[in-house]
Amino acid sequence: KAGVTQTPRYLIKTRGQQVTLSCSPISGHRSVSWYQQTPGQGLQFLFEYFSETQRNKGNFPGRFSGRQFSNSRSEMNVSTLELGDSALYLCASSLWGNEAFFGQGTRLTVV
Amino acid sequence: AQTVTQSQPEMSVQEAETVTLSCTYDTSESDYYLFWYKQPPSRQMILVIRQEAYKQQNATENRFSVNFQKAAKSFSLKISDSQLGDAAMYFCAYRSVSPSNDYKLSFGAGTTVTVRA
Repeated sequence: KAGVTQTPRYLIKTRGQQVTLSCSPISGHRSVSWYQQTPGQGLQFLFEYFSETQRNKGNFPGRFSGRQFSNSRSEMNVSTLELGDSALYLCASSLWGNEAFFGQGTRLTVV
Repeated sequence: AQTVTQSQPEMSVQEAETVTLSCTYDTSESDYYLFWYKQPPSRQMILVIRQEAYKQQNATENRFSVNFQKAAKSFSLKISDSQLGDAAMYFCAYRSVSPSNDYKLSFGAGTTVTVRA
């Protein structure tokens, strides 16, 4: 059974640009969550989608958005990138929202 | 909001010895999940062990076991017979089971475990 797949693995963007990250969950999993990991703030919850609906949202500005498709794949978008958005972005999938399995993450660097 | 506290930023253990990582949490709920995740240098978060709050029996997965003290809101992880491959950052996490609450994982700050050969 394939695990959670995140693409791309690494990304370098310039301030002011926008970026889209992708996450393919484990087959059959309907819940996808996104987390931001930085040395200073640790792991912070961004949002969670379940069956194409955003179920929860963390305390992030509106520049951070996401969506989930009918096949449960999810995308996360960050617009007007700032230097502080540099982080490891982790995606996790779960069957009903209990036990979460993580992808390898996307390392975003904003220059 | 649930708060998870890991008070040990770093722990060091000799190969084949035992190390215990501490975790405390704050919640008003009676049912929830607790997890320990491992994040090696590859940065992928790997689920080590999970505990359902309604179960009194402590969870065990091979060399990994927990000491779950519900009243004290404590959830420590014991790694027995430590191996070099256990070197990683370990995160304690909490998750509500209530549909009316957030399903997000609340993480502690992490504990870096170093294994000495």
